[in-house]
Amino acid sequence: DGGITQSPKYLFRKEGQNVTLSCEQNLNHDAMYWYRQDPGQGLRLIYYSQIVNDFQKGDIAEGYSVSREKKESFPLTVTSAQKNPTAFYLCASSGVGAHGGQYFGPGTRLTVT
Amino acid sequence: AQSVTQLDSHVSVSEGTPVLLRCNYSSSYSPSLFWYVQHPNKGLQLLLKYTSAATLVKGINGFEAEFKKSETSFHLTKPSAHMSDAAEYFCVGNADNDYKLSFGAGTTVTVRA
Repeated sequence: DGGITQSPKYLFRKEGQNVTLSCEQNLNHDAMYWYRQDPGQGLRLIYYSQIVNDFQKGDIAEGYSVSREKKESFPLTVTSAQKNPTAFYLCASSGVGAHGGQYFGPGTRLTVT
Repeated sequence: AQSVTQLDSHVSVSEGTPVLLRCNYSSSYSPSLFWYVQHPNKGLQLLLKYTSAATLVKGINGFEAEFKKSETSFHLTKPSAHMSDAAEYFCVGNADNDYKLSFGAGTTVTVRA
């Protein structure tokens, strides 16, 4: 099956710990994205990558880091510097320019206590 | 810059009746427009997309949308609502060759038995 996988579906961490969320795609898409979704606030772009070994900050990049060493993978690290990390995190991928739309993974719900 | 406005935050319909979700866009050039659906704790699923071909776009699950340039609208419709249509719907825009999408705030659809 072609698609985007995110793991794990639910993740629990203690405050002050870094945590890495996984995102893998087998759609042969060049671009990948990370969004954060909070209740009543829609989706906000954290980081995106148009090509391997390159990525750009989105609207809310502070407290997050990413890497893009392989075309298929775009892991997101939520660092201890992120003040409100509890949220639903969505990964997406697209072809060049995203004019065909982005395709989303099932999401990871992160809870930090 | 492009922006997308969903005119209704919540729509409630009876099962078997039509559904109309309204979306307006602003753009200085022809956009790509999409409708996504999100069920609770799930990722976003692409319902349909407009990319400057036919103005009436048919999507999955009986949904369709009409692009009206004169009204800068891209409303989503379904002739007969089903209980499984209860979800959050997002209208999303993408200016030419722009990797960043512009998300509407979302419309919550409730279907009454």
